[in-house]
Amino acid sequence: QVQLQESGPGLVKPSETLSLTCTVSGVSIITYYWTWIRQPPGKGLEWIGYIYSSGSTNYNPSLKSRVTMSVDTSKNQFSLKLSSVTAADTAVYYCASPVGGAFGSWGQGTLVTVSS
Amino acid sequence: DIQMTQSPSSLSASVGDRVTITCRASQSISSYLSWYQQKPGKAPKLLIYAASSLQSGVPSRFSGSGSGTDFTLTISSLQPEDFATYYCQQSFTTPRTFGGGTKVEIK
Repeated sequence: QVQLQESGPGLVKPSETLSLTCTVSGVSIITYYWTWIRQPPGKGLEWIGYIYSSGSTNYNPSLKSRVTMSVDTSKNQFSLKLSSVTAADTAVYYCASPVGGAFGSWGQGTLVTVSS
Repeated sequence: DIQMTQSPSSLSASVGDRVTITCRASQSISSYLSWYQQKPGKAPKLLIYAASSLQSGVPSRFSGSGSGTDFTLTISSLQPEDFATYYCQQSFTTPRTFGGGTKVEIK
């Protein structure tokens, strides 16, 4: 059974870079591809992008200029970096495992607040 | 981007009621539609994928139907643990997009 756990700073200053890591257990990270999704407080869900174990990526065009995803197969982890953050990037960030097009397994989520 | 529109945005229902939530896509997405349940402070949980396939472990009172642009999630007999927010999501193309959510509240 796939388990995912997000980690990273809960507070980021405006204009800086948000960095999160998702640790995968229960399966090798090379088995599937992986995704990040976020949810601003009290709002809906926004897909950020996919990363494949090869390192190939597919980002949401609305965030593409600021997003970088990477994978570390030796640690069974994948990561998200979002640059030049503003208050609008305040959200709960989830990592998830797609199965087909659906998101079958999710991490518990981590709240990242952008504030000085 | 494909826009996903859910209705209603909220509803009040009683335990035992039959509840129907609709999701409309801005263009045809065949059957590439999933449904999720989210409770406060928790991650979304996959209920239905491929429009009508029940995810393993999900109670059979949940069902999904539709294809093309119009989809429905039905809860045949609402249980206390079903009060939550429900989201649809298309996987026909990227960027993946979600509906705005339907909050199911206790009447």
